[in-house]
Amino acid sequence: EDQVTQSPEALRLQEGESSSLNCSYTVSGLRGLFWYRQDPGKGPEFLFTLYSAGEEKEKERLKATLTKKESFLHITAPKPEDSATYLCAVQEGSQGNLIFGKGTKLSVKP
Amino acid sequence: EPEVTQTPSHQVTQMGQEVILRCVPISNHLYFYWYRQILGQKVEFLVSFYNNEISEKSEIFDDQFSVERPDGSNFTLKIRSTKLEDSAMYFCASSPQGQRNTEAFFGQGTRLTVV
Repeated sequence: EDQVTQSPEALRLQEGESSSLNCSYTVSGLRGLFWYRQDPGKGPEFLFTLYSAGEEKEKERLKATLTKKESFLHITAPKPEDSATYLCAVQEGSQGNLIFGKGTKLSVKP
Repeated sequence: EPEVTQTPSHQVTQMGQEVILRCVPISNHLYFYWYRQILGQKVEFLVSFYNNEISEKSEIFDDQFSVERPDGSNFTLKIRSTKLEDSAMYFCASSPQGQRNTEAFFGQGTRLTVV
């Protein structure tokens, strides 16, 4: 059973059409939840870290929120350059290794 | 802006051959990681390294894999006898710490193709 589940697998939006990506997790004792952006053939690029339920972080058109069971990445008025795969990962254990979800592939059409 | 650097960007090797993937982590970081991503699948943890020793490893990281920090700046992943199923993108990452408040920063990856 996957410990980190992301939905939807793929999302197509028109430029300016706001939406949300979901990441649900089942790990116990969450130490941190991370959002990364990955462009094709590239390494994950760090976006946000969330630690506590109720916490929110914002960066440009992106806003991440966290509850006890899931996290949302809200995209407001997206642009074509926001097209990428968005990865969610959770941290457990004492050494910091990450458990990733399969990602949501976002396509924003002009 | 500091970044994690990986070389080579692409490596093709014959099945059964040994390969060494190289990484230069961000200079003041203390924890180092290797992850891999098979085409179309999720990013998977292989190993973490701290204070010149392995601190955690996954089931994937079996006896054919080893890591080393040979000279205080480089961090390497060696695969002794490559198999077809080792074909994947291999990502090196580093973080200032392994505990809370520590984002891992990833390199651009090495695409390993085993033929």
